[in-house]
Amino acid sequence: EPEVTQTPSHQVTQMGQEVILRCVPISNHLYFYWYRQILGQKVEFLVSFYNNEISEKSEIFDDQFSVERPDGSNFTLKIRSTKLEDSAMYFCASSLYEKLFFGSGTQLSVL
Amino acid sequence: QQQVKQSPQSLIVQKGGISIINCAYENTAFDYFPWYQQFPGKGPALLIAIRPDVSEKKEGRFTISFNKSAKQFSLHIMDSQPGDSATYFCAAGVMDSNYQLIWGAGTKLIIKP
Repeated sequence: EPEVTQTPSHQVTQMGQEVILRCVPISNHLYFYWYRQILGQKVEFLVSFYNNEISEKSEIFDDQFSVERPDGSNFTLKIRSTKLEDSAMYFCASSLYEKLFFGSGTQLSVL
Repeated sequence: QQQVKQSPQSLIVQKGGISIINCAYENTAFDYFPWYQQFPGKGPALLIAIRPDVSEKKEGRFTISFNKSAKQFSLHIMDSQPGDSATYFCAAGVMDSNYQLIWGAGTKLIIKP
């Protein structure tokens, strides 16, 4: 079965540094998402992306966050200046319709 | 109005028993209600989903019951097995809003052998 792949699986960074989280969605999917989850708690929506632009974003997705689909396969989340509270598991997801397929996540630790 | 409230936070069930997890929502515009299963270190995976035009949907040992008037839906796992031990999330969304989902807080289910 096709799957969403995310790299790296773990990322450790210093506060104030920029990080880029990478995702390869399922190839024929049209909608792309980033979610985050803090310590196995609630899954929080960050942003959705469709037709090469952001379609919706949450309050969490402030000016420090950006997303890109630089080519036909990759989908990236950039955090410009990381804060301690950005430490979380970040999940990429993609969908053709309503069924979201999630990657295994990137555990981001901000020190 | 955008919240989805899930209970219980954790649940222990004997092998072979029925596991029941409940969710409630407020936004009557929601028209898609999935349940996701998450194992440690993995992303959530869709287990089963329901639309509000039916009151129940069954797939194998997993059943969603949906009560539109009460704005509640629940997941029933029949003949619960140790392999079902995971965290379960309910969610709700509106189909024409780019499939953005509002998630419950999750239920950690442990099936005791």
